[in-house]
Amino acid sequence: KQEVTQIPAALSVPEGENLVLNCSFTDSAIYNLQWFRQDPGKGLTSLLLIQSSQREQTSGRLNASLDKSSGRSTLYIAASQPGDSATYLCAVSIYNQGGKLIFGQGTELSVKP
Amino acid sequence: GAGVSQTPSNKVTEKGKYVELRCDPISGHTALYWYRQSLGQGPEFLIYFQGTGAADDSGLPNDRFFAVRPEGSVSTLKIQRTERGDSAVYLCASSPGHHRTDTQYFGPGTRLTVL
Repeated sequence: KQEVTQIPAALSVPEGENLVLNCSFTDSAIYNLQWFRQDPGKGLTSLLLIQSSQREQTSGRLNASLDKSSGRSTLYIAASQPGDSATYLCAVSIYNQGGKLIFGQGTELSVKP
Repeated sequence: GAGVSQTPSNKVTEKGKYVELRCDPISGHTALYWYRQSLGQGPEFLIYFQGTGAADDSGLPNDRFFAVRPEGSVSTLKIQRTERGDSAVYLCASSPGHHRTDTQYFGPGTRLTVL
């Protein structure tokens, strides 16, 4: 059974700091891995999607890497801003099980001005 | 364009009552997913539709939960004899349908509270 774990559960950093969020998964048979952002009381917004054949994806100040063989992904946020404060969730799409996503519990990020 | 919408945004009901939660996916998206998110947890998969049919309902917790998508667009999640443990945010997502490559687009969710 696929399990997704995110570390740390919560993180507080001063504005301007570079930071890394970690995600690990137990079964490497995945189609892709996605990183989402969730603001309080809101739905999920997709940030980056990495296909299983890819190693990384970049969007603006965000960079996500994928090491499928070791079951790990990292989300790197450069020059953090207070507006980055949110919960970040990673999710994997399991091979041969349609597109359903298995989510981690999330990392709650707070960026202090 | 319009994103995924869900109604109602909040629903408060009493234990034992029946509730329906509605999801309007992005127009043209053939795949539709329902997830449930409890406080402090990541979303958990419930059911997946491809067109009108439920392709995977392995996440439905028991037979009190049922979902339909009769015309391949709007979907309704139905919960019978609600229990306090059903309280959660119910999220709907849609995607164009090519699951190997697609991003899922999520709605804002319906917060269900069972008293």
